This record gives sequence, C-alpha cells and structure tokens, in this order.
Amino acid sequence: QSVLTQPPSVSGAPGQRVTISCTGSSSNIGAGYDVHWYQQLPGTAPKLLIYDSTNRPSGVPDRFSGSKSGTSASLAIAGLQAEDEADYYCQSYDSSLSGSLFGGGTKLTVL
Amino acid sequence: EVQLLETGGALIQPGGSLRLSCAASGFTVNTNYMSWVRQAPGKGLEWVSVLYTGGRTYYADSVKGRFTISRDNSKNTLYLQMNSLRAEDTAVYYCARTMFSSSSLWFDPWGQGTLVTVSS
Repeated sequence: QSVLTQPPSVSGAPGQRVTISCTGSSSNIGAGYDVHWYQQLPGTAPKLLIYDSTNRPSGVPDRFSGSKSGTSASLAIAGLQAEDEADYYCQSYDSSLSGSLFGGGTKLTVL
Repeated sequence: EVQLLETGGALIQPGGSLRLSCAASGFTVNTNYMSWVRQAPGKGLEWVSVLYTGGRTYYADSVKGRFTISRDNSKNTLYLQMNSLRAEDTAVYYCARTMFSSSSLWFDPWGQGTLVTVSS
C-alpha cells in the first residue's frame, strides 16, 4: 500500500527551528518523484509552500526550506513565528496509483 | 490573478448524485492539468482525480467507477460528477490547478472548497 508517513505533531518555541519528515517508498519518493509541501491554516484551503522538494514559490519566506534524500523528504521551518501554527502536508506522485499521494499531515504548535 | 471557485456542495442522501463545479479565472482549464482533492472533516488531504490537457483522466481507487472528472472549455470550468455517493465521501472538495515538472505533479493554486455531506 502506498503511504507517505509524517509525524502527527511537532512543536517549537518562537525563534526555534523545527523539521517535519515525510517517508515514502519505492513507488513514490524512492522512485525519484519530487515532494511538495503545503501549509493549511485553520479553516482555510491548503497553500503551496515548497515544490519539487526544494523550491519556494514567490511570496513564501525563506524561513521555509525543503530537502529530499532516498525515500524521505523534510520540511524545515526556521525562526518559528506564531503565524506558522498550522497543519503541514507532504505530497508526491505515486507510480502504482498513477496519481498523487498525500502524507497524513503534521500539526505544528508554536509554544 | 489566478483563482478557482468551487460550487455545488450540498447535503445528499447515500446513493445519490451530485455535480461539483470549479470556475477558473486568470488562466484556462483546457491548457492546464486540473485535479480534485478532498478532505474529510478533521482528516487529512486525499487526492481524488486528475484531468490532463489531452483528456486522460485518473482516479483514486476509492472513487473509481463512481466519479467522473470533466471540463467545459467554453465556460472555463472543471467538474466532478459524483454518483452512488457514500457516507465516506463526506468531505470538503477542493479543485486545484495541477503543475508539473519532469519529476512530479503538484497543486497550485487551490480553490476555497465546497462541502459535500452524504447522510440520510
């Protein structure tokens, strides 16, 4: 079964750096497909944060960065701010599904 | 400005049908890949379907054979026809322009979503 695994929750104090992992398999991240990250603020639609594993769309602060290695990817958020409190989702293409796959989401709490 | 506006969500009985619409502005749907993604209450995101520019369509196993994605070029609108609805189809449905590179697909932007509730 194709799955992208994220930790259910992470937390950090303002100003700190946190990372969110996304672990896949040989039919998605491990097959070379890039990973994308979305931020979903409470009650709003998801917003693209990182595409193609490491690229930031215009308007996304450089506090947000992405990386990918093997069958995993990570989203790092530096200089945590209160407004970063949200749910974060990774997403990739999966060849066995012929479609996209989302991670289960990670709730970021800013302490 | 690139925008998407979904409409058509409703309370519908199990076994019923519903058609969602997604009106695009700032770009044309027929020259872009387009997708539907859903989110059950309190749950994560689930990809539902994609429509490629050439007309090919793909669906999640959970909706295959029941849902149909299509577009009307003259109205610059994407649709999702949902038949044989089940309680587990209850979700906010988002449409999204689907971008691509040589190594993947991603969604940007997203509409604001429309709520479908399947219940008797």
